[in-house]
Amino acid sequence: ETAVFQTPNYHVTQVGNEVSFNCKQTLGHDTMYWYKQDSKKLLKIMFSYNNKQLIVNETVPRRFSPQSSDKAHLNLRIKSVEPEDSAVYLCASRDWGGAQDTQYFGPGTRLLVL
Amino acid sequence: AQSVTQPDARVTVSEGASLQLRCKYSYFGTPYLFWYVQYPRQGLQLLLKYYPGDPVVQGVNGFEAEFSKSNSSFHLRKASVHWSDWAVYFCAVSIVAGNKLTFGIGTRVLVRP
Repeated sequence: ETAVFQTPNYHVTQVGNEVSFNCKQTLGHDTMYWYKQDSKKLLKIMFSYNNKQLIVNETVPRRFSPQSSDKAHLNLRIKSVEPEDSAVYLCASRDWGGAQDTQYFGPGTRLLVL
Repeated sequence: AQSVTQPDARVTVSEGASLQLRCKYSYFGTPYLFWYVQYPRQGLQLLLKYYPGDPVVQGVNGFEAEFSKSNSSFHLRKASVHWSDWAVYFCAVSIVAGNKLTFGIGTRVLVRP
């Protein structure tokens, strides 16, 4: 099956803990993204990687760090989570063909910070 | 910088009725435009996308959208809504030199039986 896979589906943690989310795509794409979707459904890009290189880094707190081992994987680590980090984190991938190419999304990881 | 406005946060429609969701973009050039749908507890799925060319674009599940450069719009339509269309719909823009999608706030569609 070719798609974008995310783990875990859901994670509950306490303020100050570290969390890590995984994303893998089997579509053969070169570019991967992390988006944050807040409680009002607002979607904002956080990071983008092309073939393991960071190409987009929006203004996000320094406690967020993306990690890419190869072009099929892009993980997200959050050191010392805060309550405002509660959100759904969506991973996406795309061919490096151009801006017209479709981004394919994973099902998301829902984070709740108590 | 590019931006997208979806003026309707929520639309309620009866099953079988027609649907139009509005989207306006801001960008001085010609953008690439997308409509995505998000069903409850799921990721985003592409409905359709626009490249420069025919202004009317056909998508999946009976959706279509019409691009208007003069109005800077990319409205989504469906002739007859089904209960399964209950979801949040996002309009998004991508520009030639860009590497990211910029999304509108989304329009939640509620379908009455």
